[in-house]
Amino acid sequence: NAGVTQTPKFQVLKTGQSMTLQCAQDMNHEYMSWYRQDPGMGLRLIHYSVGAGITDQGEVPNGYNVSRSTTEDFPLRLLSAAPSQTSVYFCASMRPSGGYTFGSGTRLTVV
Amino acid sequence: AQTVTQSQPEMSVQEAETVTLSCTYDTSESDYYLFWYKQPPSRQMILVIRQEAYKQQNATENRFSVNFQKAAKSFSLKISDSQLGDAAMYFCAYRSEANNYGQNFVFGPGTRLSVLP
Repeated sequence: NAGVTQTPKFQVLKTGQSMTLQCAQDMNHEYMSWYRQDPGMGLRLIHYSVGAGITDQGEVPNGYNVSRSTTEDFPLRLLSAAPSQTSVYFCASMRPSGGYTFGSGTRLTVV
Repeated sequence: AQTVTQSQPEMSVQEAETVTLSCTYDTSESDYYLFWYKQPPSRQMILVIRQEAYKQQNATENRFSVNFQKAAKSFSLKISDSQLGDAAMYFCAYRSEANNYGQNFVFGPGTRLSVLP
């Protein structure tokens, strides 16, 4: 099925550990982004990319790193996990005149 | 900067009845898109309906329709014949026509809809 595939669905990390959230889309969308969703704070943009090789920071980029080597893939790296990064993470892609197509989300807990 | 407001944190509707969720936004732009997204307990974000600002006709998708009032900057969602599966958090969203995609997609805080049997 066409869409955005996000893995893993759940993850528990210890403080200080690093990990990568994977995101892939097969719709040939140039634009991809990562959001975090926290209770009472809505969806906040972490990083985004307007095409392969081009990334930029969103509203809450600290502690996260991204790269975009291909149109399909846009991984999000947590460099040194902190409890404040406990959240639900969404990857999304978008065509120029459309809305977002979201992945199924990753629930991350940092202990 | 654009803002999106959803003034109803929670709403409820009886099964088979009609409910309207409110959304207002603030922008100085004339060209933009508006969206309603649904997030059920599964947490998947699902696009419900979309409206281009240049279109006067209100968008409709089966039981979902919008009332788009551009001058009033209002974009309400009407759900007809409500079903138990409509229970979810609903987010209103604004997207600018500007080139900078990421910085110009703004979500409202959401309205949690309960459907009573």
